[in-house]
Amino acid sequence: DQQVKQNSPSLSVQEGRISILNCDYTNSMFDYFLWYKKYPAEGPTFLISISSIKDKNEDGRFTVFLNKSAKHLSLHIVPSQPGDSAVYFCAASPTSGTYKYIFGTGTRLKVLA
Amino acid sequence: DVKVTQSSRYLVKRTGEKVFLECVQDMDHENMFWYRQDPGLGLRLIYFSYDVKMKEKGDIPEGYSVSREKKERFSLILESASTNQTSMYLCASSPGQGRAKNIQYFGAGTRLSVL
Repeated sequence: DQQVKQNSPSLSVQEGRISILNCDYTNSMFDYFLWYKKYPAEGPTFLISISSIKDKNEDGRFTVFLNKSAKHLSLHIVPSQPGDSAVYFCAASPTSGTYKYIFGTGTRLKVLA
Repeated sequence: DVKVTQSSRYLVKRTGEKVFLECVQDMDHENMFWYRQDPGLGLRLIYFSYDVKMKEKGDIPEGYSVSREKKERFSLILESASTNQTSMYLCASSPGQGRAKNIQYFGAGTRLSVL
C-alpha cells in the first residue's frame, strides 16, 4: 500500500513555463515533507522541504505548497529550465524528529527547449 | 559539500553469492541508510543505523543484513544473493542534529545484477 503517491510518472513542459509536480499522501500523521531531484547516474539531491505548520515554502524558482486537509503537496518550478529535467521524488515523515521517510515513486520531468 | 561514496557503480553477481555493498560518508553524520530503487516502486528503506553498531530494520529487510563498525562506514550484505535482489541500491546519510538534521544525502548508487 503506497502511503505516498506521485500519480504522474512523467511530465513535459516548455522552457520558461511553470512545472507543477504533485504528491498525495494517506497517513495523517505525516507532518514533514521533502522533495528530491535525481539526475541519471546520480543519487537524489535534496531540493526543498516543508513542515505541516506551514502551507508554503519558497526557495528561488522552487515553491512547495502543502494542503493538509487534502493530504496533498505540490512543487512549482517557475520558470522551468532544461537543466530541471530530472526525476523528482517527494518524501514524507511522521515527524521532523525522525529520520525515516516514505518516498513516492517519482515523476520524470522533461523541460523542452 | 557532503560526500557519500558507494564503492561500486555496477556489480554482477551469481545467485547464492555473498555480496557486500560499501558506503562511506565524510561528514561525521550520525545516521546512515540503505535503500533500493525499483521502477514503479520508488525508494524503499532496507535498513538504517543511528549510531555505530546500532541498526534498525526498514520496510524490506528480508534477505539483507548490515554492519556499522565505524561511524563513517555502512555496509549492506546480501547473505545469499537472489535474482529478485537485482536492483539499484542507494546509500544515504543525515546529520541527526542541527537544523538540517533529517536531510538525507545520497550516494550515486550501485546497480546490482544477480544472474
